[in-house]
Amino acid sequence: EVQLLESGGDLVQPGGSLRVSCEASGFIFSSYAMSWVRQAPGKGLEWVSSISGSANRTYYADSVKGRFTISRDNSKNTLYLQLNSLRAEDTAIYYCAYRLYYYDFWGQGTLVTVSS
Amino acid sequence: ETVMTQSPATLSVSPGERATLSCRASQSVSNNLAWYQQKPGQTPRLLIYGASTRATGIPARFSGSGSGTEFTLTINGLQSEDFAVYYCQQYNDWPPLTFGGGTKVEIK
Repeated sequence: EVQLLESGGDLVQPGGSLRVSCEASGFIFSSYAMSWVRQAPGKGLEWVSSISGSANRTYYADSVKGRFTISRDNSKNTLYLQLNSLRAEDTAIYYCAYRLYYYDFWGQGTLVTVSS
Repeated sequence: ETVMTQSPATLSVSPGERATLSCRASQSVSNNLAWYQQKPGQTPRLLIYGASTRATGIPARFSGSGSGTEFTLTINGLQSEDFAVYYCQQYNDWPPLTFGGGTKVEIK
């Protein structure tokens, strides 16, 4: 069974940085693209970024391009999202999601709060 | 960017009745459309992909239809556990992958 476990969410000041992680199990991690989707408090879903299985292709929403970096360590079955130059509008639950186009497995999410 | 618009924002339905949710794309997405259900405090759950294919374990009372720019999610015989927020998402024209704003199905 696919399992995704996020960690790393925290309270950070505007302009600060944070790295969130997603540990995966139950499937051959390196064979699948992975994605991050976020949800601001009381709001809808927003795709953030995706990465191919071999990590040679990455994709970003315009709202985070140049500030966030997606990466993965296939030896550790772990997906990462480095969040830099954080803004108040980046406050959200960040979900790790299995695959690229649509998402049949989601992690429980990790909360990133950007506030002074 | 393909903008996804869902209507209505809120749908009041009595248990046992049918709910019909709409999703419109700003340009054709072919049949590359998914539907999700999200209950309060829970993660989204994939219901439908390919516009009409039910995901694993999804009851037959959930059905999806449409192609191009107009899509519908129908829930027949609403049960108590179906009251939730529903999102559509296109994966035809990306990046970015885009979601609709959601339809909340509430008890009438």
